[in-house]
Amino acid sequence: EVQLVQSGAEVKKPGESLKISCKGSGYSFTNYWIGWVRQMPGKGLEWMGIIYPGDSDTRYSPSFQGLVTISADKSISTAYLQWSSLKASDTAMYYCARPGPGAIDSWGQGTLVTVSS
Amino acid sequence: EIVLTQSPGTLSLSPGERATLSCWASQSVAGSYLAWYQQKPGQAPRLLIYGASSRATGIPDRFSGSGSGTDFTLTISRLEPEDFAVYYCQQYGTSPQTFGQGTKVEIK
Repeated sequence: EVQLVQSGAEVKKPGESLKISCKGSGYSFTNYWIGWVRQMPGKGLEWMGIIYPGDSDTRYSPSFQGLVTISADKSISTAYLQWSSLKASDTAMYYCARPGPGAIDSWGQGTLVTVSS
Repeated sequence: EIVLTQSPGTLSLSPGERATLSCWASQSVAGSYLAWYQQKPGQAPRLLIYGASSRATGIPDRFSGSGSGTDFTLTISRLEPEDFAVYYCQQYGTSPQTFGQGTKVEIK
């Protein structure tokens, strides 16, 4: 069974850095792209970007380019999403998602990030 | 990037009724790589339809997808109580992948 297990909820202050994770299991982690999706409170889904753990090829949505960094450690089957300086507007639920291939057939449970002073 | 526009924003229907949700793309979706997802409060989205018209594993046949090019439709033939949720379309044929803004199907 394919599983994506994300790290727990975070509460941070503006300006702080953060790295959240998504551990894949039940499939060959290096052979599937894995992406990140943002959902701000009460809003819709936004595609942030995607990484291929096999060679670390990474593509960002223009809306998120330069604002976040997506990475992966294939030795521990884990993908990451990180910020160097959080803003209040980064408050959202973040999902990792695996296209299987093509459409997303597996989702993580979500990581709630709250940024507040 | 391809902008997806969903209509209507909210659909108020009764159980047993037919729901028709639309998704328009700002340019042709390559390969009909268009998916539909269902999201309930507090849950991650769930894949319903991929390739515009193929049902994902375990999805009941009351859900069907159609369309090509720039116009796509999700139809729920007879609404069950568990179908009241938010539905999103997504195109995954052109980078960056994009989502529509969602249609909420609520109980009338």
